[in-house]
Amino acid sequence: DQQVKQNSPSLSVQEGRISILNCDYTNSMFDYFLWYKKYPAEGPTFLISISSIKDKNEDGRFTVFLNKSAKHLSLHIVPSQPGDSAVYFCAASGGSKLTFGTGTRLQVTL
Amino acid sequence: DAGVIQSPRHEVTEMGQEVTLRCKPISGHNSLFWYRQTMMRGLELLIYFNNNVPIDDSGMPEDRFSAKMPNASFSTLKIQPSEPRDSAVYFCASSLYAGGPFRNEQFFGPGTRLTVL
Repeated sequence: DQQVKQNSPSLSVQEGRISILNCDYTNSMFDYFLWYKKYPAEGPTFLISISSIKDKNEDGRFTVFLNKSAKHLSLHIVPSQPGDSAVYFCAASGGSKLTFGTGTRLQVTL
Repeated sequence: DAGVIQSPRHEVTEMGQEVTLRCKPISGHNSLFWYRQTMMRGLELLIYFNNNVPIDDSGMPEDRFSAKMPNASFSTLKIQPSEPRDSAVYFCASSLYAGGPFRNEQFFGPGTRLTVL
């Protein structure tokens, strides 16, 4: 049973536009959420996180939004750049372990 | 710092053979994690260690899998005997435990791609 779901396996966005990656979770005990980015043949790297006491966290071009009532979070990338092309994993923690989604492959086109 | 080091990067073996994956965490980190990545299930936590002690191995799929951390700078994940369904990319990650191992950034190694024929 996937407790963290990324229902879009892939997304294509034009350079300069906004990329929105979505993530849904089912476990109400999750209280900390992270996004990781992964390039081919490399391990995932941490991108941004958010605690459940917040509904938004921003870091440069990256913003994560959390809607606890909907058990939904999203990652916004503005503006999108070709170097952002990668697989993005959403992860959630309730303190005991980190549960990852299956990832969304983002392709930023010229 | 060289980051988390994993070896080998690729492993091809035949069903029934023993496979050992190795990991060197970042110096100074006291939490170490083993993950498995598959298309169907994404990244799954197999086991994690804190200060070389296994804390949670509930993600280890079955008794064929075992992990050790004999010291702060080395860990192994062993599969014996290996089966085709074990084919996946295995990642090792480390972090600095500060109030909870899942509140801090985890640094991942490049992974070992395992193929069991």
